[in-house]
Amino acid sequence: NAGVTQTPKFRVLKTGQSMTLLCAQDMNHEYMYWYRQDPGMGLRLIHYSVGEGTTAKGEVPDGYNVSRLKKQNFLLGLESAAPSQTSVYFCASSAGPSAYEQYFGPGTRLTVT
Amino acid sequence: GENVEQHPSTLSVQEGDSAVIKCTYSDSASNYFPWYKQELGKRPQLIIDIRSNVGEKKDQRIAVTLNKTAKHFSLHITETQPEDSAVYFCAATDNAGNMLTFGGGTRLMVKP
Repeated sequence: NAGVTQTPKFRVLKTGQSMTLLCAQDMNHEYMYWYRQDPGMGLRLIHYSVGEGTTAKGEVPDGYNVSRLKKQNFLLGLESAAPSQTSVYFCASSAGPSAYEQYFGPGTRLTVT
Repeated sequence: GENVEQHPSTLSVQEGDSAVIKCTYSDSASNYFPWYKQELGKRPQLIIDIRSNVGEKKDQRIAVTLNKTAKHFSLHITETQPEDSAVYFCAATDNAGNMLTFGGGTRLMVKP
């Protein structure tokens, strides 16, 4: 099992450009999450999904969109990147709601110049 | 929403000493409190968790205690080893149980 994978691993964008981050899991998990990690601020939830075809806003959703068309994939989109979106992005999945262990992907380091 | 505060932000101990990291939370309805460890350049991984119906849980050298009245919980690591050096995050569920709110993290350095 690969667990949770993320592509790409690194990306540099110019302000105003768009991109999509892909998260894939092979554990048949219902729940999937996108977090951003900034120094001293822990992990902050951007959006999450409780199942195929569903999405919900987390703590810091502005500037991001998500889609969960297939159970195993969770996509995070940035329509018009801003320097404030420079961060490390982690995807996670779990078998159930938040009281279940979350399995994290390896992360994507995004720099917006 | 839930607010989780974590202290200290950095902690340096000598190998063999104990380390304690403390977290407070704001939502009295929170009922699940996990701790994640993140080694440098790696992904966070769950190391221990506690639910609101117990006050303490141990797993070898690590333990977590929970005080629901005071709304705080702590991670205790005994006989620290260099491989314990990492960033540790506490977290708490929101009242709907769908999301985790994480603390800001503690960088633990264990000096040999």
